[in-house]
Amino acid sequence: GAVVSQHPSWVICKSGTSVKIECRSLDFQATTMFWYRQFPKQSLMLMATSNEGSKATYEQGVEKDKFLINHASLTLSTLTVTSAHPEDSSFYICSARMRGGLYNEQFFGPGTRLTVL
Amino acid sequence: DAKTTQPTSMDCAEGRAANLPCNHSTISGNEYVYWYRQIHSQGPQYIIHGLKNNETNEMASLIITEDRKSSTLILPHATLRDTAVYYCIVRVNNQGGKLIFGQGTELSVKP
Repeated sequence: GAVVSQHPSWVICKSGTSVKIECRSLDFQATTMFWYRQFPKQSLMLMATSNEGSKATYEQGVEKDKFLINHASLTLSTLTVTSAHPEDSSFYICSARMRGGLYNEQFFGPGTRLTVL
Repeated sequence: DAKTTQPTSMDCAEGRAANLPCNHSTISGNEYVYWYRQIHSQGPQYIIHGLKNNETNEMASLIITEDRKSSTLILPHATLRDTAVYYCIVRVNNQGGKLIFGQGTELSVKP
């Protein structure tokens, strides 16, 4: 089956620093990648949608200058949390939609747990 | 995309069938029903999807009512490893269709 990886799987950083999370589709090309955030005991919240070579589309209430998304190729998207603060601590999950998939299949990465001290 | 309603939690005995209901009374004609599950601290896993016909794969069966206003995911022989949060999502099956997660059902499979 299609595999999506994320790196790192967890990260701890100091308040005020920036953190970059990578999302890769390992065995397929992804026309679109999605970034979600999940707080403890809550559901996944869609943050943004990115298409290869174009600017990301952010959901309402998500600060685009704080959460920078780059989708440089059909297999890689990155999320950079700039000037991270403790309230940004969360589980970040990416998802990739398969290019040419019959049913627009969407596959999820294992998630990255960010802890900001 | 249409909204879905699921019970907050359910229990199931190991080896028995788990039947997880989902209401989607405002579903449109071109919206598909998708089911994903999330085991604790992992990314969601695709289970099954359908439009109007019942569907079955190696993981589960999906039963959609004739009026498409509700559906049931069936895990025929639940195991302890099926303990997870199950999400029912309706989505227009085109390039712009996003997966918007509701609260899901927390299924606990007990020995």
